[in-house]
Amino acid sequence: NAGVTQTPKFQVLKTGQSMTLQCAQDMNHEYMSWYRQDPGMGLRLIHYSVGAGITDQGEVPNGYNVSRSTTEDFPLRLLSAAPSQTSVYFCASRLASKGTEAFFGQGTRLTVV
Amino acid sequence: SQELEQSPQSLIVQEGKNLTINCTSSKTLYGLYWYKQKYGEGLIFLMMLQKGGEEKSHEKITAKLDEKKQQSSLHITASQPSHAGIYLCGADEYSGNTPLVFGKGTRLSVIA
Repeated sequence: NAGVTQTPKFQVLKTGQSMTLQCAQDMNHEYMSWYRQDPGMGLRLIHYSVGAGITDQGEVPNGYNVSRSTTEDFPLRLLSAAPSQTSVYFCASRLASKGTEAFFGQGTRLTVV
Repeated sequence: SQELEQSPQSLIVQEGKNLTINCTSSKTLYGLYWYKQKYGEGLIFLMMLQKGGEEKSHEKITAKLDEKKQQSSLHITASQPSHAGIYLCGADEYSGNTPLVFGKGTRLSVIA
């Protein structure tokens, strides 16, 4: 079983470029989320989804868009990349909103120059 | 919103020594999760605690949740180089469907 798969693992973007970080899970989890991890800041929530067609903003949503057309996929779009978006991005999924562990992808290391 | 404070921020211990990492919440916890992250990799789930006073162990790692469900500790006995990494605590809020909130992490180094 693959679990949570993120692509790409590494990416370098120029300021102003757009791109999509892919996230897919094969566990039929309803709840998916995107975090970014920066030195000294821990994991901060960007956007999350409680099911197909439903998304909501987290702590740091500006500059990012998400959509959830299927249960399996939850892509994160950077509209116009900025150096402040240089970070490691993690996608997570879980079976329920509470009381269950979250499964994480291996992360995408993004550098914006 | 829920905030989690982890201490210490970093820790260097000699192989074989015991250590403790703490996680304190600003609110009563519905559930407390401990994860480990090796450098440059994803998060690996260690343990979940939900009941006040609960204690769980896995190999040489023990996690406890206090009776008031606002503080948790992670204790490693006889540390080994394989224990090195970043330890993060995460928590469920009682209300709403928001995903886990995380502390800033504790970076553990184990030296020979």
